[in-house]
Parts: sequence; C-alpha cells; structure tokens
Amino acid sequence: GNSVTQMEGPVTLSEEAFLTINCTYTATGYPSLFWYVQYPGEGLQLLLKATKADDKGSNKGFEATYRKETTSFHLEKGSVQVSDSAVYFCALSQAGNQFYFGTGTSLTVIP
Amino acid sequence: DVKVTQSSRYLVKRTGEKVFLECVQDMDHENMFWYRQDPGLGLRLIYFSYDVKMKEKGDIPEGYSVSREKKERFSLILESASTNQTSMYLCASSLPGQRANVLTFGAGSRLTVL
Repeated sequence: GNSVTQMEGPVTLSEEAFLTINCTYTATGYPSLFWYVQYPGEGLQLLLKATKADDKGSNKGFEATYRKETTSFHLEKGSVQVSDSAVYFCALSQAGNQFYFGTGTSLTVIP
Repeated sequence: DVKVTQSSRYLVKRTGEKVFLECVQDMDHENMFWYRQDPGLGLRLIYFSYDVKMKEKGDIPEGYSVSREKKERFSLILESASTNQTSMYLCASSLPGQRANVLTFGAGSRLTVL
C-alpha cells in the first residue's frame, strides 16, 4: 500500500538555524511527492513537489530531493525565519487521484 | 488566483443536528475531496468525487455523506452530528489523473459539536 511517515514534532528552532524535516514513503510504482505547508488558521498550500527520482523541488528557500533508493523526500532550509513557523506535511500521489499525507510536523521559529 | 472557498470557517452545532459544509471551487477541476484534520492524525480522507454526481468513499466515511450536483460545488453532510466529529474539515480540488497534480485547499471549516 501507500503511506507517508514524517518526523514527529514539534520542532523549535532559532532564527537562521538549519531545518531538516524527515519524510519517508512506501508506494507501489513511481509516485509524485509533495510538501504542503499550513500557516496558522489557514488551509494547506503547496510548498514544493517532485515527480520523478532525483528531481529536486524548491520554493521560498526550501528544498527536497526525491530519493528513490532511500524512499525519502526530506525537507531542508538553510536559514529559517520566524515567518516559516507553520505545520509541514509530506504527501505522495499515485496517478493524481489519490493523495496520502503524513501526520504533519509543527515548526516554531523563535527570534 | 484559483480558489477553493469553504463557506463556514467556524461552526458550533449540537449533538444530533444535521450539518452541511459547503465547498466551491472556481478552477473547473474535476476532482474534489473532503478531508478531516485532527492533531497527531494528519489528514484523513472522508470522501472524494471524480465528477458530477460521482462519489467514492475514502478512509473514514462513516457518519458522513456528500453531494456533488454541480461541478464546482462539493458538500459534506453530517446526518446526525456527534461530539467525535468535532474537527477541522478541509476541502480540496485537483485536475484529474496526472501524477503531478496538485491539490488546492480551502481555508478549512472548524466544527465543534456540543
């Protein structure tokens, strides 16, 4: 079956620290992989995506590389800001009609 | 800007009441989804719809039903609300059948059942 496992939070970092949020997946075939972000009081919005092995998705200073050999899609950012405080969800999609989400990782960045 | 609009951001209902959660998208998307979000459980799929008048059960359909009479509108119905349905409900839409499809979410409807 399909599933996504991401590191448990909450994560608290100081401003300008390096961020890694781990995400691994189980899937049949070749899924697309996503990171969504949810800011307080809002719905989820797409942060970045990758559709095939070795693709790197990037947006707003965040990056994630689709690693088929380790079935991983870890989210990284070199220097976090207070405005990055949010909940981050890793997700996969098979054939574009079914989406599977991790449980979310809450990030708080303190000044 | 493409949009998914959930008409009610916050609702408070009593046990046994019938509850309607409305979702409208303006992107001409075929697929629409209802998720439930709870702390520590992430997003769980309640129902989804591939087309008008079509629906498929997700992972947790019990206690819920849906209606899709028009392409742009997907309604979630709680026939008889219970306290364990207190949650955040998220509607989303997408284009069909391509691996790179992205879900576009509404802002969410936070339901409290007393």
